[in-house]
Amino acid sequence: EVQLVESGGGLVQPGKSLRLSCAGSGFTFDECAMHWVRQAPGKGLEWVSGISWNSGSIGYADSVKGRFTISRDNARNSLYLQMNSLRAEDMAFYYCAKDAGGEPTSPDYWGQGTLVTVSS
Amino acid sequence: QVVVTQEPSLTVSPGGTVTLTCGSSTGAVTRGHYPYWFQQRPGQAPRTLIYDTRNRHSWTPARFSGSLLGGKAALTLSGAQPEDEADYYCLLSYSGARPVFGGGTKLIVL
Repeated sequence: EVQLVESGGGLVQPGKSLRLSCAGSGFTFDECAMHWVRQAPGKGLEWVSGISWNSGSIGYADSVKGRFTISRDNARNSLYLQMNSLRAEDMAFYYCAKDAGGEPTSPDYWGQGTLVTVSS
Repeated sequence: QVVVTQEPSLTVSPGGTVTLTCGSSTGAVTRGHYPYWFQQRPGQAPRTLIYDTRNRHSWTPARFSGSLLGGKAALTLSGAQPEDEADYYCLLSYSGARPVFGGGTKLIVL
């Protein structure tokens, strides 16, 4: 069974940094692209970032480009999102999702999410 | 900036049929956009219902079907059940590894 477990969310002040992690199991992690998707309270889904199986292809939404960095460690079956210079509008549930293929096309299986609150 | 459009809200009667659509500001939606459909019930994470236009996951009830219709991706629900009341999101893939979600459709079963 595919399992994706996010961690690292919490309360952070504007301008500060936070690192999210996602542990994958039940599938061959190093064959799958991975994504981060977020959802602000009461709002819709927003694709944040995606990374190919070998980290060779990476993409970001314009809203986070230059501030967020996606990475993965295939040896640890883990995905990360380093979030710097956080803003109030970054407050959201952040979901980790695996792609069906090796290139970041579409999130397919989803984790339960971790909440990031940005407030002073 | 690409915009993916969905109906904000739709209502269907129990047992009835409804079609949700997903359009692209760049033109007609094709299989090359690999349309996905997700269901999100209140307080829950999204789950994938349809992938690559018309393929169901093992957990997707057969009453849900995906297609291309009039230049848009479409999700048809035939025989609506109370548990189908949820938010539905489509996702389209574009070149450059940057998929885009639609704004979501709130489906009411009433």
